[in-house]
Amino acid sequence: EADIYQTPRYLVIGTGKKITLECSQTMGHDKMYWYQQDPGMELHLIHYSYGVNSTEKGDLSSESTVSRIRTEHFPLTLESARPSHTSQYLCASSELDGAEPQHFGDGTRLSIL
Amino acid sequence: QKEVEQDPGPLSVPEGAIVSLNCTYSNSAFQYFMWYRQYSRKGPELLMYTYSSGNKEDGRFTAQVDKSSKYISLFIRDSQPSDSATYLCAAGSGGSNYKLTFGKGTLLTVNP
Repeated sequence: EADIYQTPRYLVIGTGKKITLECSQTMGHDKMYWYQQDPGMELHLIHYSYGVNSTEKGDLSSESTVSRIRTEHFPLTLESARPSHTSQYLCASSELDGAEPQHFGDGTRLSIL
Repeated sequence: QKEVEQDPGPLSVPEGAIVSLNCTYSNSAFQYFMWYRQYSRKGPELLMYTYSSGNKEDGRFTAQVDKSSKYISLFIRDSQPSDSATYLCAAGSGGSNYKLTFGKGTLLTVNP
């Protein structure tokens, strides 16, 4: 059973606000990921990390930023939210070996008014 | 051409039916393949994981990979209303490559 937690589950907020989406995992996984998921579309990787102090941008350009100060914690921040940021954000983690499957949290559904 | 193609459906079947879900891929470097199940308002849950070609069975679920035709399948036997969900296929090349490439997902409804 994967133990990866995302908060908040739902967030409705006005334009221009600073937002931080939290993601924590208790499995000790080195790799963590953030995906964006829109209805009827593929998951798009926006950020990933190989471990503490490692962060990289994914395939889909995003105005968000991430940090990895602790192994278990991988927060995503939007400095100034816009309606175009409305989406579902999914966090995942995996063992360091590239062949290991990724385990997902239940996501944060973000709506920017 | 997308690296992983999946028919989004929707697919509606009666309870007890055998369900076949399929994806095709174009990247010959893909070595491992996954099926995820995603219920409404939840995150994807790993259902099946297969490395290279062949079959893998787990209860009512069977995953098949045919690397020669770049075709991956998930079969669900004796489908149940609780199987109603979106099913996502994913593929990766492993090693130092972290990436998974996902299909769009197929929405399945099993009617009682």
